[in-house]
Amino acid sequence: NAGVTQTPKFRILKIGQSMTLQCTQDMNHNYMYWYRQDPGMGLKLIYYSVGAGITDKGEVPNGYNVSRSTTEDFPLRLELAAPSQTSVYFCASSSPTSGYNEQFFGPGTRLTVL
Amino acid sequence: AQSVTQLDSHVSVSEGTPVLLRCNYSSSYSPSLFWYVQHPNKGLQLLLKYTSAATLVKGINGFEAEFKKSETSFHLTKPSAHMSDAAEYFCVATTSGTYKYIFGTGTRLKVLA
Repeated sequence: NAGVTQTPKFRILKIGQSMTLQCTQDMNHNYMYWYRQDPGMGLKLIYYSVGAGITDKGEVPNGYNVSRSTTEDFPLRLELAAPSQTSVYFCASSSPTSGYNEQFFGPGTRLTVL
Repeated sequence: AQSVTQLDSHVSVSEGTPVLLRCNYSSSYSPSLFWYVQHPNKGLQLLLKYTSAATLVKGINGFEAEFKKSETSFHLTKPSAHMSDAAEYFCVATTSGTYKYIFGTGTRLKVLA
């Protein structure tokens, strides 16, 4: 199992540009999440999904969009990038019905908006 | 509402001495509790998890944690610190069947030679 994979690992955007951060998991987990981590800070939830076709906002959704057309994929879209979106983005997945329900994290995408 | 409090934002220990990272939780229901480690510029790696099977939980790299319901605590310990333990540690809580994971603010562990 590859677990949770994220692409790209690094990206520099100019203000106003758009991009999609990719996230894929091969563990057949229903729940998937996007977090951002600012320097020296903890994780903040952007969006989450409890299954294909179902998404909902987390704590800091403004400036982002998501979709979940399959169980495996949960892309995060940034429209009109702003310097405030400079951060490290982590995708995670979990399976609340498995009895263990820990989150599995991807390696992260480091985004800089200039 | 659930909350997780990591009592120390920074902890410094000498190599070879014990490590104690403190975490308190509040929850109306029986929680599942986790400790994750994040090394610099890396993702989060699960150290150990408590899911009510046993109150003393052993994890990777010699870490362990004890769930104490009476104290609502889940402190992380290691008998002897190694330089490679220097990292950020997060205590996380959730309740069975929910999407919501509550993160502590993190404890940065520094290991002195």
